[in-house]
Amino acid sequence: DGGITQSPKYLFRKEGQNVTLSCEQNLNHDAMYWYRQDPGQGLRLIYYSQIVNDFQKGDIAEGYSVSREKKESFPLTVTSAQKNPTAFYLCASSIGSGNDGYTFGSGTRLTVV
Amino acid sequence: GESVGLHLPTLSVQEGDNSIINCAYSNSASDYFIWYKQESGKGPQFIIDIRSNMDKRQGQRVTVLLNKTVKHLSLQIAATQPGDSAVYFCAENGAGGGADGLTFGKGTHLIIQP
Repeated sequence: DGGITQSPKYLFRKEGQNVTLSCEQNLNHDAMYWYRQDPGQGLRLIYYSQIVNDFQKGDIAEGYSVSREKKESFPLTVTSAQKNPTAFYLCASSIGSGNDGYTFGSGTRLTVV
Repeated sequence: GESVGLHLPTLSVQEGDNSIINCAYSNSASDYFIWYKQESGKGPQFIIDIRSNMDKRQGQRVTVLLNKTVKHLSLQIAATQPGDSAVYFCAENGAGGGADGLTFGKGTHLIIQP
């Protein structure tokens, strides 16, 4: 079955560490997105990519980095520059630029210890 | 900033009743709207969508209404069931025609009372 997979489900980061969240899709979608979700909040856009080897900053890109070397993969790195990284991270993909529905992954919960 | 908002953070309804969840948006250029359901600890799931050339769309037990005059979107769930308990988000494609993705509201937590 086609879908979008995020891993790991839970991730713990020590102060000053970089960590990378994985997002893989086999839906042949061109566009991929990373969102951050805090308790009681909506989804805030971190980065998005409309095509391989190209990506754009979203509303809260500071302290994060991404790559899009393959159509299927859009990993997110949470760097030590991100001062408050504890959150639920969601990856999504879509056929086009957002004028179609998204398919979401099941999320990664990142906690700083 | 966010251009999509929800009127109520929490909505409590009796099992079997109909639920109505509301959403206001501010970007008149938006032409595509979606409702998502998110259960605790999971990713959002697509429920129903509507384009701006329509004012109503029906699915299985769900109906979405779009009022472009007052920039208002609503989700109606008929005969609410315990499995409907979740947070519901509306989303719009924004002024960029969706180039930077969807903009989401904060969500409404639907609680089903037995």
